[in-house]
Amino acid sequence: QKEVEQDPGPLSVPEGAIVSLNCTYSNSAFQYFMWYRQYSRKGPELLMYTYSSGNKEDGRFTAQVDKSSKYISLFIRDSQPSDSATYLCAMSANAGNMLTFGGGTRLMVKP
Amino acid sequence: DGGITQSPKYLFRKEGQNVTLSCEQNLNHDAMYWYRQDPGQGLRLIYYSQIVNDFQKGDIAEGYSVSREKKESFPLTVTSAQKNPTAFYLCASSQIAGSYNEQFFGPGTRLTVL
Repeated sequence: QKEVEQDPGPLSVPEGAIVSLNCTYSNSAFQYFMWYRQYSRKGPELLMYTYSSGNKEDGRFTAQVDKSSKYISLFIRDSQPSDSATYLCAMSANAGNMLTFGGGTRLMVKP
Repeated sequence: DGGITQSPKYLFRKEGQNVTLSCEQNLNHDAMYWYRQDPGQGLRLIYYSQIVNDFQKGDIAEGYSVSREKKESFPLTVTSAQKNPTAFYLCASSQIAGSYNEQFFGPGTRLTVL
């Protein structure tokens, strides 16, 4: 079993839909959680960063962490075709530890 | 412009050859990383370096080698010992290893073994 699990998709939604992307993990020591967005044939870029449990909102994006369930989510409101990309979750136990990545979910937002 | 550059963008290798992937950063970051990305498997760490002239193996270092002679450069050599080298290779850097700082990624090099 992988340490971080992520549904590979593809997830296809119409423009304007609310998108929910999720990751589950097995290591209870993880406390730093990140979401990266990766466009096709490009390097990933950091989208959201959360420490420990709770919610964090940035524009149309909301990141949620539920440590009791070992489950993290990224919500995208009013999705746009430009949101079409692969979304990777990443996490680490300590600030200086290496990141453990999920396999990524490919999202397609259709106009 | 500050950032990370990787070259070449596409690389083709014959079996039995060693190839070197270039990674340069002008962000003045201390730490640099090499990842391998295969479809559906996310990013797996090959090597990382926190300081010049020092580097550590990641999860999948076998068949790869690196050097860190300059702060801004962290080349990766894919040797003939790497059994399945066809993949997308990503270089990243961060400000300081040991405290949380965002990892910035380069555009990647796609390596194909013919």
